[in-house]
Amino acid sequence: ETGVTQTPRHLVMGMTNKKSLKCEQHLGHNAMYWYKQSAKKPLELMFVYNFKEQTENNSVPSRFSPECPNSSHLFLHLHTLQPEDSALYLCASSQVGREGIGELFFGEGSRLTVL
Amino acid sequence: TQLLEQSPQFLSIQEGENLTVYCNSSSVFSSLQWYRQEPGEGPVLLVTVVTGGEVKKLKRLTFQFGDARKDSSLHITAAQPGDTGLYLCAGAYDYKLSFGAGTTVTVRA
Repeated sequence: ETGVTQTPRHLVMGMTNKKSLKCEQHLGHNAMYWYKQSAKKPLELMFVYNFKEQTENNSVPSRFSPECPNSSHLFLHLHTLQPEDSALYLCASSQVGREGIGELFFGEGSRLTVL
Repeated sequence: TQLLEQSPQFLSIQEGENLTVYCNSSSVFSSLQWYRQEPGEGPVLLVTVVTGGEVKKLKRLTFQFGDARKDSSLHITAAQPGDTGLYLCAGAYDYKLSFGAGTTVTVRA
């Protein structure tokens, strides 16, 4: 496989469930990201990992818990979500260097519906 | 968070017409990227502009970065149905990207 792959593509869960989103990048990049995309709103940056270290947490509620076991894999653990958390969750990777952030390569997203 | 405002929010035109999408901010960015997102897919990079005043052309698409590196525009000449999609601008700062809300472009055949 090439690029960035996300699973599952679609997820429906109740507010009391625990689920996880998975992201894998095959590009050899050193940074990975979780973004939330809701209708009519800008992509919201949730978490950033550079070299497996979390460098950004944009005031994301604790019901979202990221995990980056290595530079190729990124997880988003979900617990006791709210209906307003329903959105498209996009994973991306990039190569960050002295010149700053390069192109973001996105996965196809995981469409989450919270009932 | 550096805010980027895109306008218009929606744009529907006939095939062959021209269109312009704007991306504005009060913040200065080290570079600005434009992405296009189609339904069911993640955004895909179209271009990166780095220098103030820079103009880049990609076939029928022309991208311009403002002199002060705070704003940008995307102009499409003779639009085709294949240009339909969500166009997103993103400003780079502190090794991160801040995105606008996007412009949904529909080109009718």
